[in-house]
Amino acid sequence: EPEVTQTPSHQVTQMGQEVILRCVPISNHLYFYWYRQILGQKVEFLVSFYNNEISEKSEIFDDQFSVERPDGSNFTLKIRSTKLEDSAMYFCASSDYWGAGNEQFFGPGTRLTVL
Amino acid sequence: KNEVEQSPQNLTAQEGEFITINCSYSVGISALHWLQQHPGGGIVSLFMLSSGKKKHGRLIATINIQEKHSSLHITASHPRDSAVYICAVKLIFGTGTRLQVFP
Repeated sequence: EPEVTQTPSHQVTQMGQEVILRCVPISNHLYFYWYRQILGQKVEFLVSFYNNEISEKSEIFDDQFSVERPDGSNFTLKIRSTKLEDSAMYFCASSDYWGAGNEQFFGPGTRLTVL
Repeated sequence: KNEVEQSPQNLTAQEGEFITINCSYSVGISALHWLQQHPGGGIVSLFMLSSGKKKHGRLIATINIQEKHSSLHITASHPRDSAVYICAVKLIFGTGTRLQVFP
């Protein structure tokens, strides 16, 4: 069964460093999403991506964040100059149609720890 | 602003009990998503529904668009059902309902 994969499973970084979180969506899916979940809190939408551009983003997704689809399979989230409060689990998801009305499939997450 | 509220926040049950988790939202929608988050953190999609009822195994989800309310039911609950159940609407997630089922 096709699945969304994410790497690494756990990333530890120093405050101020840049990190890139990687996702491989399901191959025939066209819409891609990043979410984050701070420990003990609810899942929060960051950004959605379609046709090589951002289609929607939340207030959390500021200039510190960027997304890219560098090739036909990977979908990345870059966090520049990480802060302590960026420590969270980051989930990638994909869907074959626009997500609000269509099922999203989630990856296992990357746990980011900023020291 | 879209708010998604779930109740209860925490739920404990004995194996075999019938479980109901509720979700209310504040904006008009075309579909609502029920998800399950395992203790290890992984998120699994359970249902996407836009009207009426859907059933998958022991899980049943219902939605009333007019009342802006959805319920997730688990029949004959089992310890392996222990997880956090999350309702999501228009990319906004509820805080989840933590379910623990004891043998």
